[in-house]
Amino acid sequence: DTGVSQDPRHKITKRGQNVTFRCDPISEHNRLYWYRQTLGQGPEFLTYFQNEAQLEKSRLLSDRFSAERPKGSFSTLEIQRTEQGDSAMYLCASSSGPQRAPYTEAFFGQGTRLTVV
Amino acid sequence: AQKITQTQPGMFVQEKEAVTLDCTYDTSDPSYGLFWYKQPSSGEMIFLIYQGSYDQQNATEGRYSLNFQKARKSANLVISASQLGDSAMYFCAMNHNTDKLIFGTGTRLQVFP
Repeated sequence: DTGVSQDPRHKITKRGQNVTFRCDPISEHNRLYWYRQTLGQGPEFLTYFQNEAQLEKSRLLSDRFSAERPKGSFSTLEIQRTEQGDSAMYLCASSSGPQRAPYTEAFFGQGTRLTVV
Repeated sequence: AQKITQTQPGMFVQEKEAVTLDCTYDTSDPSYGLFWYKQPSSGEMIFLIYQGSYDQQNATEGRYSLNFQKARKSANLVISASQLGDSAMYFCAMNHNTDKLIFGTGTRLQVFP
């Protein structure tokens, strides 16, 4: 197992275009998270999946953002009608554990750096 | 509100010396977890160490130790015998009854020869 994998690593897009990022978690990890990190800040939580169920979404996740994890394995994060303020690093993480277990180490991918021009 | 505060934007340490990175947290929940992550320039967040709110002893992982002072709500990271490869951003984080992590703004550590 090579860890959490994210694709692409870098994406430059024009304002108004749609973009989609993919995350492949560590095999058999049932929990998957998306975070956004802007320059000089720590990561901010966006959304969280337990298997294929999306259990929590941050207020940061506007209507232009949608995330899926259709078979409980990989996940996609789509941003529609991108804006310059969407420029950030998008990090994916995965972890294992029974539901409601609070203290589970999360393993992060290397992120997708989005630049909206 | 749950919050993590890291007041040191940057720290310098000489190789082989020890360094302490500060972290304070705010929560009203008695059950929580505290984490430290390292983020090198490549961008990946690397897990370093974890401390549970009910753990009696301070966590240690190799050269990393967490100085947990519950009454002060502080969870400082101590790196002993610093190495050049320790130069990176360091983030303190907290979670509660869900796994989502709340991060601080980070401390940039630079180790010089």
